Amino acid sequence: AQSVTQPDIHITVSEGASLELRCNYSYGATPYLFWYVQSPGQGLQLLLKYFSGDTLVQGIKGFEAEFKRSQSSFNLRKPSVHWSDAAEYFCAVGARETSGSRLTFGEGTQLTVNP
Amino acid sequence: KAGVTQTPRYLIKTRGQQVTLSCSPISGHRSVSWYQQTPGQGLQFLFEYFSETQRNKGNFPGRFSGRQFSNSRSEMNVSTLELGDSALYLCASSLGPGGRETQYFGPGTRLLVL
Repeated sequence: AQSVTQPDIHITVSEGASLELRCNYSYGATPYLFWYVQSPGQGLQLLLKYFSGDTLVQGIKGFEAEFKRSQSSFNLRKPSVHWSDAAEYFCAVGARETSGSRLTFGEGTQLTVNP
Repeated sequence: KAGVTQTPRYLIKTRGQQVTLSCSPISGHRSVSWYQQTPGQGLQFLFEYFSETQRNKGNFPGRFSGRQFSNSRSEMNVSTLELGDSALYLCASSLGPGGRETQYFGPGTRLLVL
């Protein structure tokens, strides 16, 4: 069974600083990887996804993530954080199963941005 | 194109009652998945429907059930509500089943059980 770990429950950065959110996954085959963001009281918005090919993927809002198979990681990065980036971020693994599919989510990382 | 819509957005019930939540997927999407989000357990997969058939089910008791209609709209039902069922219930739609398909989430229905 697949699993996802986000080691950082809460991260605080200053506006304009760079950001890296960590994600480690466990899955026996090629993973499908996603990053979602959730603002308070809202649903999840897709930031970016990795299926195959180029290991550096670009997403919306200036985010990017790098897939590293050797480290089983899919870390999310942003070079300069804006106050509006304050939210909770979820890494997820998708896998093809014989009877359907599901997303397995990490515990989430709460991002606070200081002015 | 309109996104995933969920109704109602907020709901208050008492223990022992039952509740039905509704989800309308993005036009053209045929797969609908449901997730429960709580502070303690995080985001957990409930079930997935495609072409009116349940394709996958998470580890939840039989009190949680769902269905999908021919227009791909989906409902989930929780019977005999317990306090622990208080959660944000998220619906997601995708073009089809499969881990490669991107799931787009609705705003959720927040259920409070008293």
